[in-house]
Amino acid sequence: DSGVTQTPKHLITATGQRVTLRCSPRSGDLSVYWYQQSLDQGLQFLIQYYNGEERAKGNILERFSAQQFPDLHSELNLSSLELGDSALYFCASSVGSGLAGLNEQFFGPGTRLTVL
Amino acid sequence: AQTVTQSQPEMSVQEAETVTLSCTYDTSESDYYLFWYKQPPSRQMILVIRQEAYKQQNATENRFSVNFQKAAKSFSLKISDSQLGDAAMYFCAYRSDPVYGGSQGNLIFGKGTKLSVKP
Repeated sequence: DSGVTQTPKHLITATGQRVTLRCSPRSGDLSVYWYQQSLDQGLQFLIQYYNGEERAKGNILERFSAQQFPDLHSELNLSSLELGDSALYFCASSVGSGLAGLNEQFFGPGTRLTVL
Repeated sequence: AQTVTQSQPEMSVQEAETVTLSCTYDTSESDYYLFWYKQPPSRQMILVIRQEAYKQQNATENRFSVNFQKAAKSFSLKISDSQLGDAAMYFCAYRSDPVYGGSQGNLIFGKGTKLSVKP
């Protein structure tokens, strides 16, 4: 158990819908990273938050957005869902901002999103 | 931009034998970090081993060791005395070190190698 929690474990929804994925980082970790794992794209970085602020952006679609709350949990919002958004979404956390040092990332168990 | 390549989509090893998974990467940065992650059928991403690019000594964690060749931009993982529990997807990952000019601290993953262990 990495100490990172993600809810829900599974999510099944229809095209055009909106969903919210939730992540709670390890106690003491200030950074949250979101990654998408799909069969065709592999594991891709979406976005990072550090202590409530957006720190880095990767291949995140405009239909996707995220935020980190004062208690440091993070939510990833996916809207106007398409079939191709079906994937495993991971959250990872680390102590630092990623600007210095090893800053190991610990992964949550993931949320499996299926868009029908 | 940095890229990570794992050229072996699938590998197989006999229990108790040794197997080596390959990884190459492309970067213009001089300092960075490299990782191997294991993803068993449970889908959990588990860190297996890490290597700081400024360290010449290859990292070792119990039965897992790496062969880090900085000039060749190669980072292979050796699993000794393979066990049934080692069966999983293995991902090689790269992370910049922003202190030395890298852009950000996220991980860049290869496509993965699926390792099967035969009893």
